[in-house]
Amino acid sequence: QVQLQESGPGLVKPSETLSLTCTVSGGSISGYYWSWIRQPPGKGLEWIGYIFYTRSTNYNPSLKSRVTISKDTSRNQFSLKLNSVTAADTAVYYCARQTPELYYGMDVWGQGTTVTVSS
Amino acid sequence: SSELTQPPSLSVSPGQTASITCSGDKLGDKYASWYQQKSGQSPVLVIYQDMKRPSGIPERFSGSNSGNTATLTISGTQALDEADYYCQAWDSSTVVFGGGTKLTVL
Repeated sequence: QVQLQESGPGLVKPSETLSLTCTVSGGSISGYYWSWIRQPPGKGLEWIGYIFYTRSTNYNPSLKSRVTISKDTSRNQFSLKLNSVTAADTAVYYCARQTPELYYGMDVWGQGTTVTVSS
Repeated sequence: SSELTQPPSLSVSPGQTASITCSGDKLGDKYASWYQQKSGQSPVLVIYQDMKRPSGIPERFSGSNSGNTATLTISGTQALDEADYYCQAWDSSTVVFGGGTKLTVL
């Protein structure tokens, strides 16, 4: 059974870069889209972007200028970098698998990791 | 990118039917998914491809999508269905989420 685990610093200073990694266990990265989603406290889900196993990426237009998603197939990991963070980037960050056979539904999610932007 | 609109909240009595709507421009031409998120937990996919249920999701969850509106229907709502529900569309290789609906069962 595929499982996802987010990891990274829980506290980031304003103007710095938020970096998170999602480790995929129990399955391969190949054949799927791998997304990052965030949820500010008390608010809804916001899609950040995804990387396909072929390395192609797509980002939320509202975040595109600050986001980079990459992958390391040898480690079965994919990563998120969000630069120039502000307090508005404080959120629970989730990684998730999107399955083409499920018409791009996100069928596996990580437990989420809380990132606070504060000095 | 397109926007998806959901009612912020919905209340139903146990055993009744809950219908949660998701509206967006020509949403019926896209594929809609629905997620359930209980307090403090990660979202769970309950409907994909407008109306299909992943394995393990009870039959009381169903979906439809036509015109500008997708609907998640929970028949015989139970107390354990109390959660936030989010629609999501795949639009031109981009993901869009609705704002979420808080379902209260009382």
